[in-house]
Amino acid sequence: QVLLVESGGGVVQPGGSLRLSCAASGFIFSSYGVHWVRQAPGKGLEWVAFIQYDGKNKYYTDSVKGRFTISRDNSENTLYLQMNSLRAEDTAVYYCAKDRGLVVPTAPFYMDVWGKGTTVTVSS
Amino acid sequence: DIQMTQSPFYVSASVGDRVTITCRASQGLSSWLAWYQQKPGKAPKLLIYAASSLQSGVPSRFSGSGYGTEFTLTISSLQPEDFATYYCQQASRFPSFGPGTKVDIK
Repeated sequence: QVLLVESGGGVVQPGGSLRLSCAASGFIFSSYGVHWVRQAPGKGLEWVAFIQYDGKNKYYTDSVKGRFTISRDNSENTLYLQMNSLRAEDTAVYYCAKDRGLVVPTAPFYMDVWGKGTTVTVSS
Repeated sequence: DIQMTQSPFYVSASVGDRVTITCRASQGLSSWLAWYQQKPGKAPKLLIYAASSLQSGVPSRFSGSGYGTEFTLTISSLQPEDFATYYCQQASRFPSFGPGTKVDIK
């Protein structure tokens, strides 16, 4: 069974940091790119970041560039999102999502397996 | 950046109805478009990719069409489990989602 399980969410003050993790199982993690997608309370989906299967290429949405870092450890089948300088507008459920393409480093990007999400709240 | 719009924002429909949702992109996407279903408190689920390809395990009452800047998702006969919010997503290097269409029970 293909599974993604996020962890690391919580309540943090503005300007603080959090590191999210996403543990993958049931597929060859090192062969697929992976995304982070977030959803603010009552709002739609927002793509946050993508990392290529081998970690060589990373893409970010403009609002998190320079603050968030996506990384992966293929030996541990785990994806990470280091979030620094957090703002109130970063408050959301954060999902990790597996890209559908096998060893494809470029678009098109379709997300075929999603975790249940982890909640990040930025508040003083 | 590629902007995505969806219409309508809200659909009130009955079981058995045919429902069509439209998604438009600010730039041509070729066929690089996906559709997702999301139920309250749950993660999104991929329904359609490459504009018209049905994801494995998704019922055949769901279908997608379109090319370039205009796309549609059709549910041929709405079932009770289909009441949810539907999002389109453009699949370029920097993906983006439409605002969503909520399908509710009439």
